[in-house]
Amino acid sequence: GDKVKQSPSALSLQEGTNSALRCNFSIAATTVQWFLQNPRGSLINLFYLVPGTKENGRLKSTFNSKESYSTLHIRDAQLEDSGTYFCAAFSNTDKVVFGTGTRLQVSP
Amino acid sequence: EAGVTQSPRYAVLQEGQAVSFWCDPISGHDTLYWYQQPRDQGPQLLVYFRDEAVIDNSQLPSDRFSAVRPKGTNSTLKIQSAKQGDTATYLCASSFRGLQLYFGEGSKLTVL
Repeated sequence: GDKVKQSPSALSLQEGTNSALRCNFSIAATTVQWFLQNPRGSLINLFYLVPGTKENGRLKSTFNSKESYSTLHIRDAQLEDSGTYFCAAFSNTDKVVFGTGTRLQVSP
Repeated sequence: EAGVTQSPRYAVLQEGQAVSFWCDPISGHDTLYWYQQPRDQGPQLLVYFRDEAVIDNSQLPSDRFSAVRPKGTNSTLKIQSAKQGDTATYLCASSFRGLQLYFGEGSKLTVL
């Protein structure tokens, strides 16, 4: 079936450090969206990407459609970055499949 | 501009009872999605619509789950004869022409 695998599944960071999350797709994704799910359960939109790179503050995301992956880089991690990060892959029929998630805990 | 609105926010049922979840998408959004998110898992697509038409409902457990969007605006997801395994948050999202998704706050279902 359609699969979107995220790695790592869980991650612990100290404040001020950097990290990268990755999504690998087994579907032919045309666009990708990254979300942060906060402890209340709300899904917050981080990026919506066609192939290429976008940057917003301490976050940067790249989508490589030819090699079927996307990455999310977090620079200078802060406590409020804690939560679960999901990527979602869009097919050319507008079907949107979510990844398995990366649970991030940032500590002082 | 109003976001995606879902109700109820919470529902607690005994096994065998029925429940309906309602979603009001962002005005003008033609595509509407329902996802099921069990605790500690990612959202899993149940069904999605473009306007009033079902595009893909292959992941909807059809014997007990149904979803409609009769006028291409609001949508209802109904679970008949709920089971404990249906315990999850039910998320609605909308988009315009397949562009980025906007999610509601979800409806959290507990089946005892």
